[in-house]
Amino acid sequence: AQRVTQPEKLLSVFKGAPVELKCNYSYSGSPELFWYVQYSRQRLQLLLRHISRESIKGFTADLNKGETSFHLKKPFAQEEDSAMYYCALSKDNNDMRFGAGTRLTVKP
Amino acid sequence: EAEVAQSPRYKITEKSQAVAFWCDPISGHATLYWYRQILGQGPELLVQFQDESVVDDSQLPKDRFSAERLKGVDSTLKIQPAELGDSAMYLCASSARLVDEQFFGPGTRLTVL
Repeated sequence: AQRVTQPEKLLSVFKGAPVELKCNYSYSGSPELFWYVQYSRQRLQLLLRHISRESIKGFTADLNKGETSFHLKKPFAQEEDSAMYYCALSKDNNDMRFGAGTRLTVKP
Repeated sequence: EAEVAQSPRYKITEKSQAVAFWCDPISGHATLYWYRQILGQGPELLVQFQDESVVDDSQLPKDRFSAERLKGVDSTLKIQPAELGDSAMYLCASSARLVDEQFFGPGTRLTVL
């Protein structure tokens, strides 16, 4: 069965510092991985997906199949990045499994 | 901009009562999902529809939960009877097709007393 683990419930960094939100997964097939974000008082929304290989709002995430990881990174955090971040894995039929989430706080 | 609509936004009920939640997906989206999110956890998929057909309901507690999407558009999730452990946020999402980006509604926060 597929599983997504986000080891950090809380992460706090200062503005301008690099940030990395960790995500590890377990799945025997070829996973499709996503990062979703929820800003305060807003809906859960897609941040990025690994197949698109895009950089969204300065964030990137690389799929490492050897380490079964999909960590989210940004070189210079901004205060507006403060939010709840969820890593998610999808099987072929789009059965999405979410991690427990990491709350990122970017301090001024 | 089109959004997923859900109602009610908040629901307080007593245990053993019946509750129902409604979701209207983005127009034209064939795939609809219901998730349950317990405080401090990520969303957990309860049921997934493709048009009016259930694709996956393996995580739906079928003794008390039911979901329908009769015309392949809007959907209703029902709990009968509600239990204390059902207190959670219930999220609806839709996507144009399978494996597409999912768009989430604002959720219904259920409190069972």
